[in-house]
This record gives sequence, structure tokens and C-alpha cells, in this order.
Amino acid sequence: EPEVTQTPSHQVTQMGQEVILRCVPISNHLYFYWYRQILGQKVEFLVSFYNNEISEKSEIFDDQFSVERPDGSNFTLKIRSTKLEDSAMYFCATHQGWGYGYTFGSGTRLTVV
Amino acid sequence: AQSVTQPDIHITVSEGASLELRCNYSYGATPYLFWYVQSPGQGLQLLLKYFSGDTLVQGIKGFEAEFKRSQSSFNLRKPSVHWSDAAEYFCAVGYMEYGNKLVFGAGTILRVKS
Repeated sequence: EPEVTQTPSHQVTQMGQEVILRCVPISNHLYFYWYRQILGQKVEFLVSFYNNEISEKSEIFDDQFSVERPDGSNFTLKIRSTKLEDSAMYFCATHQGWGYGYTFGSGTRLTVV
Repeated sequence: AQSVTQPDIHITVSEGASLELRCNYSYGATPYLFWYVQSPGQGLQLLLKYFSGDTLVQGIKGFEAEFKRSQSSFNLRKPSVHWSDAAEYFCAVGYMEYGNKLVFGAGTILRVKS
């Protein structure tokens, strides 16, 4: 069964540092998303990406966050200057069309110290 | 605003017993409804989804869910729980008119006792 691959699985970073989280979507999927889950809390939508541009973003997705698909395969989430409250599990999700449902990656656990 | 309520934070059932996890959504437009399962430290695995048609949907691992528009509910059921079903279960809703994002419930942690 096709998978969404996320790297790294864990990342520890100093506050104020930049991090890049990477996702390899399923090859025929067109819609890409980032979600996050702070420990013990619900999964929250960050951003959706379609046709090489952001289609929607949440209030969480401020100027410190950016997404891109630099080489047509990887889909990245960059946090420019991490804060302690950015510590969370970040999930990439993709789908090929609304009727097919999402496939989620296994997540990147980000710890900001 | 769209929201999803999972009223049970924790549920404990005996192995072999039946299970029902509750989910209610807030908005009356045509929802797209999902159940995901998450084992500790793992990603989210899709159990089943409802878009239209038959309101009783079958999923993987023997799970099923029933969409009841009159009750704004999409409860997940399994007739006989196995110890490997212990995990956290998330209900999620999406609406075409609100983009393709999903809104998740807070999750229900299922414990299975032998």
C-alpha cells in the first residue's frame, strides 16, 4: 500500500533555530497538507497546498511557517525561528481528490528546547 | 465554526466485548466524515470514511460506522474487540465548501482488558 514518508522521525532543536520537515507524498496525489498535534491535544490543521501554492492556512500558520515543493516530489514545512510552543508531532497528509480520503504520514516529533 | 465532539476521553472494554465510540459534528451542511486510529508514537491510519450513499459504512479491522444526519452523529462500532485494538481513535469532519481541511475531535483512548 502506498505510503506518505516523513523525515526525520524525531528532531530536537534549540529555540530560535530553523527547522525543515520533509514529506514525500504518494506519487499521484495532488493535494498536500500539514497538521500538528501538541502532546495530549487534538490534531490541528496548519496549511493546505495545491497546484504549487497555498490554498488555505490556519491562524497557527503565521509568518514563521512556510511550505514549498522544491523539486516536484518533496513537500516541506519550514519553521524559521522555533519557539518552545512549536514542540509537537507534525503530520503530512496527501490525497488525490476529495473522494479518496487522506493518507497521513507517520509524523515528525519536533522538540524545541 | 465546524467542530467535532468525542464525548468519551477514555473507554475501557473487555476483550471480546462490543464497542461503540461516539462522535458528533456541529455543522449541518453535507459533511465528509472519517475515523482514524493512532497507536502511541505512530501516524494516523484511516479506518473508514463516509462521503455519501449508504449510511452504514464498513472499514478495516472489522470496524463500521453509521451516519445519522438527524443526530449529527457518526459513531464507530465493532462487535468484538481484540487486544490489538487498544489505541486512540479520532473522528474528523470535512466540508467541500470550507476547503479540504479536516477538523478533528479530541480523540478517545481505548483500553482493552483481558
